[in-house]
Amino acid sequence: DSGVTQTPKHLITATGQRVTLRCSPRSGDLSVYWYQQSLDQGLQFLIQYYNGEERAKGNILERFSAQQFPDLHSELNLSSLELGDSALYFCASSVVSQGILFGQGTRLTVV
Amino acid sequence: AQSVTQLDSHVSVSEGTPVLLRCNYSSSYSPSLFWYVQHPNKGLQLLLKYTSAATLVKGINGFEAEFKKSETSFHLTKPSAHMSDAAEYFCVVSGGTSYDKVIFGPGTSLSVIP
Repeated sequence: DSGVTQTPKHLITATGQRVTLRCSPRSGDLSVYWYQQSLDQGLQFLIQYYNGEERAKGNILERFSAQQFPDLHSELNLSSLELGDSALYFCASSVVSQGILFGQGTRLTVV
Repeated sequence: AQSVTQLDSHVSVSEGTPVLLRCNYSSSYSPSLFWYVQHPNKGLQLLLKYTSAATLVKGINGFEAEFKKSETSFHLTKPSAHMSDAAEYFCVVSGGTSYDKVIFGPGTSLSVIP
């Protein structure tokens, strides 16, 4: 158990649909990060939240959005899905100087 | 600005021989540096971290890395490769005490030949 929990582990959906990925950070971590890993783009930072507020934004499409709730869990919403959105989506949480702890990821397949 | 360069996209070694995965960084801050490993179809696991303490950092599974400020390098080494070391390795830099800027290198794929 890595301490960061992501659900679901696998998700298969059709183009045009919307999905929500969920992440529970390690206990006590205030920062949550979302990353996308695809074969052609590698590992890409999407967005970071800190204690409920957006802290940094990376290469996140407008069709994607995220939020962090008062209990610190986070959700990544992906809408109008395209085939190219198929990827591994990682959530991570961090505490200063301890590094980022990753969840096991959600594998999204868009068909 | 921060950046990370992993000089080799792919490294192949024979089992039992040393491993060297190279990483160079640039950072405007005193950086924290990390190496992560990702085995096929698995998540990312922290191997080791440097956060301005000892420059030689020991991690899990026999890996270690040395922070060399003059060379802006943080190369990952292991004296003797095992088959189970075959994976993707990512060098990561973050800025000081804030994780606002977390930059991943492009990754190095390590193959271990029996």
